[in-house]
Amino acid sequence: DVKVTQSSRYLVKRTGEKVFLECVQDMDHENMFWYRQDPGLGLRLIYFSYDVKMKEKGDIPEGYSVSREKKERFSLILESASTNQTSMYLCASSFGKAGANVLTFGAGSRLTVL
Amino acid sequence: GDSVTQMEGPVTLSEEAFLTINCTYTATGYPSLFWYVQYPGEGLQLLLKATKADDKGSNKGFEATYRKETTSFHLEKGSVQVSDSAVYFCAREHSGGSNYKLTFGKGTLLTVNP
Repeated sequence: DVKVTQSSRYLVKRTGEKVFLECVQDMDHENMFWYRQDPGLGLRLIYFSYDVKMKEKGDIPEGYSVSREKKERFSLILESASTNQTSMYLCASSFGKAGANVLTFGAGSRLTVL
Repeated sequence: GDSVTQMEGPVTLSEEAFLTINCTYTATGYPSLFWYVQYPGEGLQLLLKATKADDKGSNKGFEATYRKETTSFHLEKGSVQVSDSAVYFCAREHSGGSNYKLTFGKGTLLTVNP
């Protein structure tokens, strides 16, 4: 089974801190994604990457950046955390272009910014 | 733009009841359609998909039929179990050439009581 592992299940950070959320997948998937999940809003795409060092903005990239130096790892970076970034963050991966939208998700990282 | 509208929850049913969760999508292009499920404490996982009009996706007793004339992809199950308690997300493929992006509905929480 494909495994997508998010390094932290729960984080508490202060406003203005730099935050790193790490995601690793173990099945050689080309594509990786970061979503945020908020009650009443569903899932919204922040960034995705279809290859090492390649990235594209999703629907809500403001306040976030990403890094993909290795195929298996995709990091989400909050340069200066704000309270409105308190949310559940979901990483996902998928295989190839044809199967790009069949996603395997990690368990999520719940971030609280105080 | 692309959007998905699914019935608001929460939905509470007794075991062995019939389930319908409605989902409609904006009629831009001919997108693939999906249902994802999120069990408590876990990330989302693909439940079923359909790639063209009149296709029926099915898995674990759940079914959904791609209806182009009504732009709908309603999820149904004839007899729900307690273990089906989860949040269900309808999703459509992005129109405009990039199948990397999925647009998700807001999710419907289903609780099944014994």
